[in-house]
Amino acid sequence: AQKVTQAQTEISVVEKEDVTLDCVYETRDTTYYLFWYKQPPSGELVFLIRRNSFDEQNEISGRYSWNFQKSTSSFNFTITASQVVDSAVYFCALSEEGTGRRALTFGSGTRLQVQP
Amino acid sequence: GAVVSQHPSRVICKSGTSVKIECRSLDFQATTMFWYRQFPKQSLMLMATSNEGSKATYEQGVEKDKFLINHASLTLSTLTVTSAHPEDSSFYICSARTTGGNTEAFFGQGTRLTVV
Repeated sequence: AQKVTQAQTEISVVEKEDVTLDCVYETRDTTYYLFWYKQPPSGELVFLIRRNSFDEQNEISGRYSWNFQKSTSSFNFTITASQVVDSAVYFCALSEEGTGRRALTFGSGTRLQVQP
Repeated sequence: GAVVSQHPSRVICKSGTSVKIECRSLDFQATTMFWYRQFPKQSLMLMATSNEGSKATYEQGVEKDKFLINHASLTLSTLTVTSAHPEDSSFYICSARTTGGNTEAFFGQGTRLTVV
């Protein structure tokens, strides 16, 4: 069965520090998607990135970057020069496409607190 | 991009009453929608998969007679929490996936249900 592990429950950094949020996944499917979402206190899920299992290219978007490594089943997320507005809960998620189960399986989330 | 609208965003109801939550895909047809539940400081857990024109598929441990799902059209799915109890108080969020090679997963704004 699919599983997503976010071992870091809570991280606290000082503004302008870089921070990496870890995500390790398990799946038997060869076709899958990985996602990252940000959840501010309001509760809405803010989409950050989607990556399919055939695309291992790393991606950078502004201060955000993602490192996808199939060899270690990891999809880590780095925020460079963190800001107070980055404070939120971040979820990594997986969907298995080959099985037809298109629902997302979420990790337990990492609460990031950026102190001014 | 595609948008999923969920209503209401917040509801307080008395124990024993029923509450209906609506989830609409605004600019795409969603044959499948998903309902998740999130308890405070926990992750999102899939409750059920809503299929247009057929019965919903419930995850293990979710009472189908308590959480009624109706997906009567390609743009609307509803979740009715029947005979609500305080332990049903939670954040409920729906999702819809677009189809095709560049599939996205869109989430509603969520509904915070409080049963008193």
